[in-house]
Amino acid sequence: GAGVSQSPRYKVAKRGQDVALRCDPISGHVSLFWYQQALGQGPEFLTYFQNEAQLDKSGLPSDRFFAERPEGSVSTLKIQRTQQEDSAVYLCASSPRQGGRETQYFGPGTRLLVL
Amino acid sequence: AQTVTQSQPEMSVQEAETVTLSCTYDTSESDYYLFWYKQPPSRQMILVIRQEAYKQQNATENRFSVNFQKAAKSFSLKISDSQLGDAAMYFCACSAGGTSYGKLTFGQGTILTVHP
Repeated sequence: GAGVSQSPRYKVAKRGQDVALRCDPISGHVSLFWYQQALGQGPEFLTYFQNEAQLDKSGLPSDRFFAERPEGSVSTLKIQRTQQEDSAVYLCASSPRQGGRETQYFGPGTRLLVL
Repeated sequence: AQTVTQSQPEMSVQEAETVTLSCTYDTSESDYYLFWYKQPPSRQMILVIRQEAYKQQNATENRFSVNFQKAAKSFSLKISDSQLGDAAMYFCACSAGGTSYGKLTFGQGTILTVHP
């Protein structure tokens, strides 16, 4: 079946612009995670959804970052007034159920470059 | 809270040989899980192997096996009979359930090069 997809794959934004990054998880997956991966580093957790409920947003770096999953499937990560330090790859992952033992299936990521 | 440390930024191995990637972790959780993920260049991150902390037996998946030392908080990955397709960045990661919801804490990664 189809895996996790993300769009756009690449995004170039001017500093101060707003951007929206989309994630289509595997159909039926309850859990959805967003991670931020700086160049040459491991991904860092941003936020977690269980269905449509955002249960953990402790990793969002500032109030310029906002995520939603209104119908419990597609999720959007929005970054307002982008800054150069926001440049990174944004990864989305989904898993069938909630829980620490679940395998997370990752999308290809969106590479954001803020000029 | 969890931390994961990978002390080897880069490793290399000859095709068909064996290589071991190191990982140490720290967690306050009693019920946690450990993972190795592989991220090939410009490709998606995929799961290599998973270990449940309450299981004493080391996990194995074909050519991949782990050495899980719970007391030492060590979780190394052994790749046997290395293949060119094994070349990638490898991440060690830890997760827990409950109010952690299974979010992954990753190490810094180890770049593995496989020489023909």
